[in-house]
Amino acid sequence: KAGVTQTPRYLIKTRGQQVTLSCSPISGHRSVSWYQQTPGQGLQFLFEYFSETQRNKGNFPGRFSGRQFSNSRSEMNVSTLELGDSALYLCASTPQSVSIGELFFGEGSRLTVL
Amino acid sequence: KNQVEQSPQSLIILEGKNCTLQCNYTVSPFSNLRWYKQDTGRGPVSLTIMTFSENTKSNGRYTATLDADTKQSSLHITASQLSDSASYICVVSANFGTDKLIFGTGTRLQVFP
Repeated sequence: KAGVTQTPRYLIKTRGQQVTLSCSPISGHRSVSWYQQTPGQGLQFLFEYFSETQRNKGNFPGRFSGRQFSNSRSEMNVSTLELGDSALYLCASTPQSVSIGELFFGEGSRLTVL
Repeated sequence: KNQVEQSPQSLIILEGKNCTLQCNYTVSPFSNLRWYKQDTGRGPVSLTIMTFSENTKSNGRYTATLDADTKQSSLHITASQLSDSASYICVVSANFGTDKLIFGTGTRLQVFP
């Protein structure tokens, strides 16, 4: 069974640009969630999507957004990039809900903002 | 405020030795507590997940304990191996509210030969 796939693995952007990251969940998993990981703040929950609807949202500004498609694949977008957005962005999938089920993480997309 | 605190921040041990990592939380209402292992540059991998009624859960050489009364958990690693070198992250899940998942900042474990 294929794991969670995230693309791209690495990317470099400049301040003010926007970026879109992609996540393909494990087949059959309907919940996809996104996380930001930085050395200073650790892992922080961004949002969760289930059946194309945002179900939960963390404490991040509106520049961070996401969506989920009918095949459960998900994208997250960060607009007007800031230096502080440099981080490892992780995606995880689970059959039901982030608060109940075991999370299966992808390898992450490492974003560097210059 | 919902919080998860882990100690120590970092730990160095010799191969073959045992170690215990700590996790204290103030999360309400509590749903479950998870331990993840994260190798450098990789995504976290689940080790254990425990609900309110579970005191102990093992996964090979990893044994997690949970005391829901004192809101403390520990992860015990037996007969450590070089491959145990990683960050170990404690995550507590709330039943409802905006704080669904609260992450600890992790314990960085290094195992030397």
